[in-house]
Amino acid sequence: QKEVEQNSGPLSVPEGAIASLNCTYSDRGSQSFFWYRQYSGKSPELIMSIYSNGDKEDGRFTAQLNKASQYVSLLIRDSQPSDSATYLCAVIPGVRGNKLVFGAGTILRVKS
Amino acid sequence: DGGITQSPKYLFRKEGQNVTLSCEQNLNHDAMYWYRQDPGQGLRLIYYSQIVNDFQKGDIAEGYSVSREKKESFPLTVTSAQKNPTAFYLCASSIGSGKAPLHFGNGTRLTVT
Repeated sequence: QKEVEQNSGPLSVPEGAIASLNCTYSDRGSQSFFWYRQYSGKSPELIMSIYSNGDKEDGRFTAQLNKASQYVSLLIRDSQPSDSATYLCAVIPGVRGNKLVFGAGTILRVKS
Repeated sequence: DGGITQSPKYLFRKEGQNVTLSCEQNLNHDAMYWYRQDPGQGLRLIYYSQIVNDFQKGDIAEGYSVSREKKESFPLTVTSAQKNPTAFYLCASSIGSGKAPLHFGNGTRLTVT
């Protein structure tokens, strides 16, 4: 079982719709969770971090964390073509300190 | 502006040659990391360092070496022992608090033929 799993996609949504990206993790002791966006050929950039159960909103982005079910999700409201990218879920497993473990990423395509 | 600088952006080498990738940060971060990215596989940790003169192997350290002589610098050497070195290499840093996210450099794309 992979430590961090994501559906590779591509996930296609029309412009203006809500894009929902999901991620599951295996280490129940994990405490820190991050979403990164990566455009083709570029390095990842941090979008959201979340540490507590529930929702965290930042502009059009909402991160949701459910530690009991071991999943974290990212919602993108009013999706724009510029949101088309690969979204990486990253987790700091409970026993490994500050080493991030990344999922393989979900490709998002927003169609205008 | 503070940030992480990786150089060069593109690097081409012949098989059997060692090559060193540069990573410099001026964020005053304690922790630095090297990741490798291959298509469809996400990022895999090669080495990391939490303080000067100390570093630990990540998940795929074989065929790689690092040094951390200065807080600002964390160069990665890809040796001839690395069987499949062609990849996108990403250097990152963090304040090292255990909850801190990583900040990435722009990456070096290495091609070995």
